[in-house]
Amino acid sequence: AQTVTQSQPEMSVQEAETVTLSCTYDTSESDYYLFWYKQPPSRQMILVIRQEAYKQQNATENRFSVNFQKAAKSFSLKISDSQLGDAAMYFCGSFGNEKLTFGTGTRLTIIP
Amino acid sequence: GAVVSQHPSRVICKSGTSVKIECRSLDFQATTMFWYRQFPKKSLMLMATSNEGSKATYEQGVEKDKFLINHASLTLSTLTVTSAHPEDSSFYICSATSRDGYNEQFFGPGTRLTVL
Repeated sequence: AQTVTQSQPEMSVQEAETVTLSCTYDTSESDYYLFWYKQPPSRQMILVIRQEAYKQQNATENRFSVNFQKAAKSFSLKISDSQLGDAAMYFCGSFGNEKLTFGTGTRLTIIP
Repeated sequence: GAVVSQHPSRVICKSGTSVKIECRSLDFQATTMFWYRQFPKKSLMLMATSNEGSKATYEQGVEKDKFLINHASLTLSTLTVTSAHPEDSSFYICSATSRDGYNEQFFGPGTRLTVL
């Protein structure tokens, strides 16, 4: 079984600043993957970043990076140089045993 | 690449009727397709997992006789909501994975179902 917890229902950040979204997870799987997806108002789910749990190196994708702490089961997302287009719901997800489990989401607002 | 489409994007139906939603992978072969349900301002809840040519695996609490899933080919899965009721109104999203997708799921744009 998997559980994913996002403790921040809402976050806001000034444009061009940096923000970190928190995520913790629990899984009984030894082989699993972690994801961050964003869902803008269009409701299309868009992959932001992916982390293979067996890799120690933190994944990065341009302005997006993660802090993966496997022992603590923590998988936070850092967004640098925030842009207006980053405004969306962000869902953390854990994939294991052929199933993707999402957290409850964090609504990110960008302040111009 | 890796585009998933859904049709229709929104549908309104009368209570008691059945509605079919199609999910297609446009440029890859989807070994597995997933169906999710999302209530307003809530997260995505997995309803079922389907593999081409085999029966779908439903999550606990999901009525398999109400939500019929067919995965007839490597590019098409359908979700049929049978005898729909107002409480079935929701946003339904499908996703698909490919053989080489590193377990990444590609999501469709979703279908908004409203049952009157």
